Amino acid sequence: DQQVKQNSPSLSVQEGRISILNCDYTNSMFDYFLWYKKYPAEGPTFLISISSIKDKNEDGRFTVFLNKSAKHLSLHIVPSQPGDSAVYFCAARSTGNTPLVFGKGTRLSVIA
Amino acid sequence: EADIYQTPRYLVIGTGKKITLECSQTMGHDKMYWYQQDPGMELHLIHYSYGVNSTEKGDLSSESTVSRIRTEHFPLTLESARPSHTSQYLCASSESAGGATEAFFGQGTRLTVV
Repeated sequence: DQQVKQNSPSLSVQEGRISILNCDYTNSMFDYFLWYKKYPAEGPTFLISISSIKDKNEDGRFTVFLNKSAKHLSLHIVPSQPGDSAVYFCAARSTGNTPLVFGKGTRLSVIA
Repeated sequence: EADIYQTPRYLVIGTGKKITLECSQTMGHDKMYWYQQDPGMELHLIHYSYGVNSTEKGDLSSESTVSRIRTEHFPLTLESARPSHTSQYLCASSESAGGATEAFFGQGTRLTVV
């Protein structure tokens, strides 16, 4: 059973607008959440993370929001740029620095 | 920039052949991982290691094996490749200390077994 779920396989956004990628999780032991960006035939690249003791973390155009009660997190990209077009993976780990568990990814297409 | 390297990047090989996918990191990380990923699917953990001479199987059953004789090196071996092994294999490493550490990934190996 999937512990990390990204229910939108794809998302299309106009350049300059906001992109919102969503992620849900089921394991209440997860305490650290990460977003990775992946281009075809490349390895994932770390984007931004958030600890379970926070509800928001911001880094430039990227902001991650965490709602622990809903077991939901989201990645906001604003403004979106064509170079942001990639597959975005949500990942989580449990206490004790265990291996990351990944969602299926959301393919973001930013249209110029 | 992450210093973790995988070779080869692409490999096409016949059924029954033995293959080894190489992964090396120069960051001194104790923890290393192998994930397998198919298009449109999540990354599945197949092996991990928390240090030299330590290896564990991941959540996804795999016919591959790994070894960790040196901190920087974590090769994955398939004794007899089959078409079902066709996939992208991703190696990663992370620090041991604390929980707020991301995993760094290599470029991946795209394996095709014909």
